[in-house]
Amino acid sequence: GQNIDQPTEMTATEGAIVQINCTYQTSGFNGLFWYQQHAGEAPTFLSYNVLDGLEEKGRFSSFLSRSKGYSYLLLKELQMKDSASYLCAVYGGATNKLIFGTGTLLAVQP
Amino acid sequence: DGGITQSPKYLFRKEGQNVTLSCEQNLNHDAMYWYRQDPGQGLRLIYYSQIVNDFQKGDIAEGYSVSREKKESFPLTVTSAQKNPTAFYLCASILDTEAFFGQGTRLTVV
Repeated sequence: GQNIDQPTEMTATEGAIVQINCTYQTSGFNGLFWYQQHAGEAPTFLSYNVLDGLEEKGRFSSFLSRSKGYSYLLLKELQMKDSASYLCAVYGGATNKLIFGTGTLLAVQP
Repeated sequence: DGGITQSPKYLFRKEGQNVTLSCEQNLNHDAMYWYRQDPGQGLRLIYYSQIVNDFQKGDIAEGYSVSREKKESFPLTVTSAQKNPTAFYLCASILDTEAFFGQGTRLTVV
């Protein structure tokens, strides 16, 4: 079976740091994607983790622990425009499925 | 410009009619995916394809059909058998660590 869990909603303050967690149980794993999705729009690619550890890209970083089935997305210096849904997706298995979690709706407040 | 294109952006159909959503990519990606997103929900996998002339059912394939006659194209047909077809439909393509979405098609069945 497959299961990907994320918190449904989070709230944070402008300028702060927020960590969005994702835990997964899937049959097969090649890598893990993070996407940002603003209301009414298509998701945009943020990061892809294959190996354990932290990948940093500007204000956004993503961490992976394959042994724990765990990832997080770290957003620093939050801006109002970061208010969006953040989607975690696992890529893998014999047929290379790409399965999404339900997403975390982040609200950034002044 | 390289990218993945979905058309049309908005589509209206009468109940009982089949409708085909277009997805074209010029990224030379092997794998392509179709998802459905309902308001406030995550992305659910409908069908996916790793190579030309081959595709697999996702988690909610009932009432949908696809074809993959060319690497660049992966059209999705929403048939009259789909009980609740009104939704936001998203197409994605992947090659290794690169994964992108089209702009989406918002289908409304009246």
